[in-house]
Amino acid sequence: AQRVTQPEKLLSVFKGAPVELKCNYSYSGSPELFWYVQYSRQRLQLLLRHISRESIKGFTADLNKGETSFHLKKPFAQEEDSAMYYCALGTHSGTYKYIFGTGTRLKVLA
Amino acid sequence: ETGVTQSPTHLIKTRGQQVTLRCSSQSGHNTVSWYQQALGQGPQFIFQYYREEENGRGNFPPRFSGLQFPNYSSELNVNALELDDSALYLCASSRDGIQPLHFGNGTRLTVT
Repeated sequence: AQRVTQPEKLLSVFKGAPVELKCNYSYSGSPELFWYVQYSRQRLQLLLRHISRESIKGFTADLNKGETSFHLKKPFAQEEDSAMYYCALGTHSGTYKYIFGTGTRLKVLA
Repeated sequence: ETGVTQSPTHLIKTRGQQVTLRCSSQSGHNTVSWYQQALGQGPQFIFQYYREEENGRGNFPPRFSGLQFPNYSSELNVNALELDDSALYLCASSRDGIQPLHFGNGTRLTVT
């Protein structure tokens, strides 16, 4: 079965603390993984894609095929990081589509 | 570069009615996908349109249908509305169906 699991609905951290948002996936093919972020009153926007292996706004995510995980990390959280974060799995079954996790709300406390 | 735009932003309908939601794709994008996001859930894939044809469908009944026009804009139609259809409907566009997807702000549909 194709599935994305984000175990935490809410994650609260203090400003300056490290952040790790967990994402696990289930997929029999070669996975393409993304993190999308939704700031308050804004649209869902792409934050990271695993094939780019880049750091955006200080966030990084490494694909671990052995653990089927794609956790999002940032060493020092900022208040402006407070948002809803969705992990998504891109699948090719005739049509390219995303399977999303249920999302994690990150609250960075002053 | 014009982003994905959706209309209307909010809509209230009664059970049994029909609704049409509209989406204009980002400039240069020819593929439109529709997602349903229920409260507290992640978006779920409804279907995708490419070159004016449905090009894949998720686990949604036939009363969910769509169209894509020559200018790549799209409509989502839902017939015989049910209370469970209350959700945020997201449109996303891409070029040739290749990721990543670019999302609109969504249409919030409430069925009473």
